Amino acid sequence: GAGVSQSPSNKVTEKGKDVELRCDPISGHTALYWYRQRLGQGLEFLIYFQGNSAPDKSGLPSDRFSAERTGESVSTLTIQRTQQEDSAVYLCASSPLTVHGYTFGSGTRLTVV
Amino acid sequence: AQSVAQPEDQVNVAEGNPLTVKCTYSVSGNPYLFWYVQYPNRGLQFLLKYITGDNLVKGSYGFEAEFNKSQTSFHLKKPSALVSDSALYFCAVRDVAGFQKLVFGTGTRLLVSP
Repeated sequence: GAGVSQSPSNKVTEKGKDVELRCDPISGHTALYWYRQRLGQGLEFLIYFQGNSAPDKSGLPSDRFSAERTGESVSTLTIQRTQQEDSAVYLCASSPLTVHGYTFGSGTRLTVV
Repeated sequence: AQSVAQPEDQVNVAEGNPLTVKCTYSVSGNPYLFWYVQYPNRGLQFLLKYITGDNLVKGSYGFEAEFNKSQTSFHLKKPSALVSDSALYFCAVRDVAGFQKLVFGTGTRLLVSP
């Protein structure tokens, strides 16, 4: 597609429920990144994909967080047993490897109540 | 580890005046530096980047940034601010060891008054 697409744009969930956030990167972009942005704060790196593998998972805050990528395209970020501190905007970005910097999606705003 | 610092949480400027949003960096090796802008309820948009070459980098929407190696700074500038420039601005540096992962500053909110 023309840009990085994320769905849903907004998600309200009850504490303890699992959620899945989806990212469709720009076609042909081999690198894919997930970031988290809490209210009034900067961007916190979560995970990086190169193709379908994740060589850098160092930012995942706990084992409740996981992500996968299939077909070198769509990626899903799953948060199990959500907690209120998980409330944030989750941003996805993609990039060709030969280009410095990347393109962001509009994000998914997750609210845990 | 690579890092950037944005010392100002907020910058206020009157429309038509020049603006500067500050960023300093700490890297090992040559820095790859970026500026992104975030409008309300939107994702981040790329403004400009410094990889190598001319220290003055020109980007989108009339913005430019000056790379200063001796001061380890990469301040964002615009000669004449517009009300529509009001947004959240992030400086970022590429993590040399981190597969092109960008490390972001905490952001600076720019408010341009009419």
